[in-house]
Amino acid sequence: NAGVTQTPKFRVLKTGQSMTLLCAQDMNHEYMYWYRQDPGMGLRLIHYSVGEGTTAKGEVPDGYNVSRLKKQNFLLGLESAAPSQTSVYFCASSTGTGGLVTGELFFGEGSRLTVL
Amino acid sequence: GENVEQHPSTLSVQEGDSAVIKCTYSDSASNYFPWYKQELGKGPQLIIDIRSNVGEKKDQRIAVTLNKTAKHFSLHITETQPEDSAVYFCAASKDGTGTASKLTFGTGTRLQVTL
Repeated sequence: NAGVTQTPKFRVLKTGQSMTLLCAQDMNHEYMYWYRQDPGMGLRLIHYSVGEGTTAKGEVPDGYNVSRLKKQNFLLGLESAAPSQTSVYFCASSTGTGGLVTGELFFGEGSRLTVL
Repeated sequence: GENVEQHPSTLSVQEGDSAVIKCTYSDSASNYFPWYKQELGKGPQLIIDIRSNVGEKKDQRIAVTLNKTAKHFSLHITETQPEDSAVYFCAASKDGTGTASKLTFGTGTRLQVTL
């Protein structure tokens, strides 16, 4: 069972470069999320999606863009990377219940990004 | 918005002892409180959760308690084992708002169980 798969797992960028992180889930989940994890700061929500073709901002959206062209995929883009974006990025998915009941989040294994 | 504080940041216990991790939240409307366990090199995984209509929930060696009046909740692990060593995150959210439920996480507790 694949669950939530993130690619790539590691990436080093130079300041100003762009890149895209790909998240794929095979559980037919409606909701998908991108979090970043930094030491001492826990997990912070960047962007999320409640369904194919929809996206919304989370707690720390600046400097990131997302797209959800297919239900199973959620892409996170950095147009011009900055050292402050050095972090571990986690994608997650959950079932959709109209937001009435919080579902279990299923996380990928993370993507470690370093911006020099 | 919601703010979740978690203590302690690190916790070391001997195998067989109990471990307690505490969290406080700021938004009195929050009504769902999960706990996630993150092993080294892995993503977080849900281990137990509680909703505000109950005060305590148990699942084998782990339990969660909730005090709505004081706005705090705790994770209790009894008879700790080496495989309990991990980082634990508490979180809070509001059900019933009609939008994607967005969890606010605490800053994590690194639990080390020593032999």
